[in-house]
Amino acid sequence: DSGVTQTPKHLITATGQRVTLRCSPRSGDLSVYWYQQSLDQGLQFLIQYYNGEERAKGNILERFSAQQFPDLHSELNLSSLELGDSALYFCASSVYGQETQYFGPGTRLLVL
Amino acid sequence: GQSLEQPSEVTAVEGAIVQINCTYQTSGFYGLSWYQQHDGGAPTFLSYNGLDGLEETGRFSSFLSRSDSYGYLLLQELQMKDSASYFCAVRPPGGSNYQLIWGAGTKLIIKP
Repeated sequence: DSGVTQTPKHLITATGQRVTLRCSPRSGDLSVYWYQQSLDQGLQFLIQYYNGEERAKGNILERFSAQQFPDLHSELNLSSLELGDSALYFCASSVYGQETQYFGPGTRLLVL
Repeated sequence: GQSLEQPSEVTAVEGAIVQINCTYQTSGFYGLSWYQQHDGGAPTFLSYNGLDGLEETGRFSSFLSRSDSYGYLLLQELQMKDSASYFCAVRPPGGSNYQLIWGAGTKLIIKP
């Protein structure tokens, strides 16, 4: 158990819909990272937050957005969903100043 | 650009030794990390090389040579539970966001 929690574990929705994925980092970690992993693919970095502020953006679509709240939990919002958005979405957290990232169990999104 | 290259798949026999290579084309970085991911699971941190040389943690060792732009993960006394994907990752220089660049992953298949 990494100490990072993600909800929901599974999500099934239809094309065109909007969903919100939630992540709570490890206690004390100020940095949160979001990744997308399609079937049998590598990790695609989406976005990073540090203490409520956006720090880095990867290949995140305009239909996707995220935020980190004062209690440090983060949410990833996916809208106008397409079939190709079906993937595992991971959240990771880290202590500022350290490279090691601790991953949550992921949310498996299926868009039908 | 910045990229990491890993073999897509490696096959080995239970009890044997296997080496997973990671070569990179990036203008400097802070350190090389390795993560393990079982099918359907979350990536978990394995090792980190901040300096050139060998780091050993039980059956796993990791090596880095900046002059050769090369690193590897060595797994000894392979067990069936080591069947997983292995990712190398580096933090590029510049900025303070601690974002990682990830290799595409190596799927390790272990045969009895």
